[in-house]
Amino acid sequence: KNEVEQSPQNLTAQEGEFITINCSYSVGISALHWLQQHPGGGIVSLFMLSSGKKKHGRLIATINIQEKHSSLHITASHPRDSAVYICAATMYSGGGADGLTFGKGTHLIIQP
Amino acid sequence: DTEVTQTPKHLVMGMTNKKSLKCEQHMGHRAMYWYKQKAKKPPELMFVYSYEKLSINESVPSRFSPECPNSSLLNLHLHALQPEDSALYLCASSHRQGGIYEQYFGPGTRLTVT
Repeated sequence: KNEVEQSPQNLTAQEGEFITINCSYSVGISALHWLQQHPGGGIVSLFMLSSGKKKHGRLIATINIQEKHSSLHITASHPRDSAVYICAATMYSGGGADGLTFGKGTHLIIQP
Repeated sequence: DTEVTQTPKHLVMGMTNKKSLKCEQHMGHRAMYWYKQKAKKPPELMFVYSYEKLSINESVPSRFSPECPNSSLLNLHLHALQPEDSALYLCASSHRQGGIYEQYFGPGTRLTVT
C-alpha cells in the first residue's frame, strides 16, 4: 500500500518568505497532486504532476520520480496563502480510475 | 462548465433519519468519487464509480449507499448513521488526461449526525 508523507505538518512564516512543502511516497505512482484547503472550505486542485515541474503564478511544483519526492514552493508568500496544503498520489492501475491517497497535510500560516 | 456541485451544503440529521447527498458535474467526466473528511484530517476515499459502475468500495459500512443514476450525477444515500459519521463529504470527478486521472473536487456537504 502506498504511503504519502508530508513535511512539515505545521509552518508559520512571515509575509514575503519563500515557502517549501515536501512530499514523499513509498511506491510508484501515476501522478502526484497538490491540493489546497482553506479552513472550513472545500478542496482546490493546484497541480497534477507526473514528471518535471509546473508553475502557476507564485506557486511551483516539482517532482523527482526516481527519488519518489515532490515539493510545493510558494514565492513571495502572502497571508491569503494561509491554508492546508495536501499532497495526494494516484496509484498505477489497470487503466481504471483510482481514488487518491492523501498525505496528512501541511497547515501553513503566513503572518503579515 | 468546470464545476462539481454538491447539495446540500450543510445537513443535520438524526440517527433514525434517511437522507441523501447529491453531486453533479457536466464536464463529461466518467469517473466520480466520494470522500469523507473528518476535522483536521485528510480526506479518505469511500467509493469510486467508473462509467456508472461501482469500481471501488473501501469497506464502507452499509449505512452509506452510493448510487450513480447517470454519468453526470452521483448520490450518497444515508440511513441509520452514527454521530461519528459527522464529517465533510466531498465529491470529485475526473477525466483521463495523458494516462492520468485529474480530479476536480466539489465544495463538500458538511454533515452533522445528532
